[in-house]
Amino acid sequence: DVKVTQSSRYLVKRTGEKVFLECVQDMDHENMFWYRQDPGLGLRLIYFSYDVKMKEKGDIPEGYSVSREKKERFSLILESASTNQTSMYLCASRKSGGYNEAFFGQGTRLTVV
Amino acid sequence: AQSVTQPDIHITVSEGASLELRCNYSYGATPYLFWYVQSPGQGLQLLLKYFSGDTLVQGIKGFEAEFKRSQSSFNLRKPSVHWSDAAEYFCAVGASGGSYIPTFGRGTSLIVHP
Repeated sequence: DVKVTQSSRYLVKRTGEKVFLECVQDMDHENMFWYRQDPGLGLRLIYFSYDVKMKEKGDIPEGYSVSREKKERFSLILESASTNQTSMYLCASRKSGGYNEAFFGQGTRLTVV
Repeated sequence: AQSVTQPDIHITVSEGASLELRCNYSYGATPYLFWYVQSPGQGLQLLLKYFSGDTLVQGIKGFEAEFKRSQSSFNLRKPSVHWSDAAEYFCAVGASGGSYIPTFGRGTSLIVHP
């Protein structure tokens, strides 16, 4: 089975801290995604990566950056955490090809205080 | 640009009753369509997908969905709901071809009464 693993289920960080959310997939998928999930807003795309070292902004990239140095790992970075970044963060991966579904990690619940 | 609308924020059904969750999409060509389920505190799991062929698609956990091009819809159905089906359901659409970026609806929360 495909496995997408996010490094933390719960995180509490202080305002202004630099925060790293890590995601690893074990199925050699080319595409990886970071979404943010908030009540009533569904899933909003922050960044995605077509392949290693490639990244594209999604719908809400402000305040975030990403890194993909290896195919299996896609990191989301909050350069200076703010309280409005308190949210559930979901990582997903997908084999390239339009009909392939995305596989999701368990999510990281981030609270910024 | 593609978009997805799930008109119902919450749906409440009794256990054993039938279920239909609505999904409408906007896309110029034939889309790839997906339904995912999210249990509390978990990630999303694929229930079923459509990309061509038979417009009635069978999925896991007894769910099915029907693609209706004329109505731009991809509604999810289940003939008899179980209490364990209580969850958040997301419809998603992806452009056909290449490295599409899936667009998700806002989700429908299913509440099951005993």
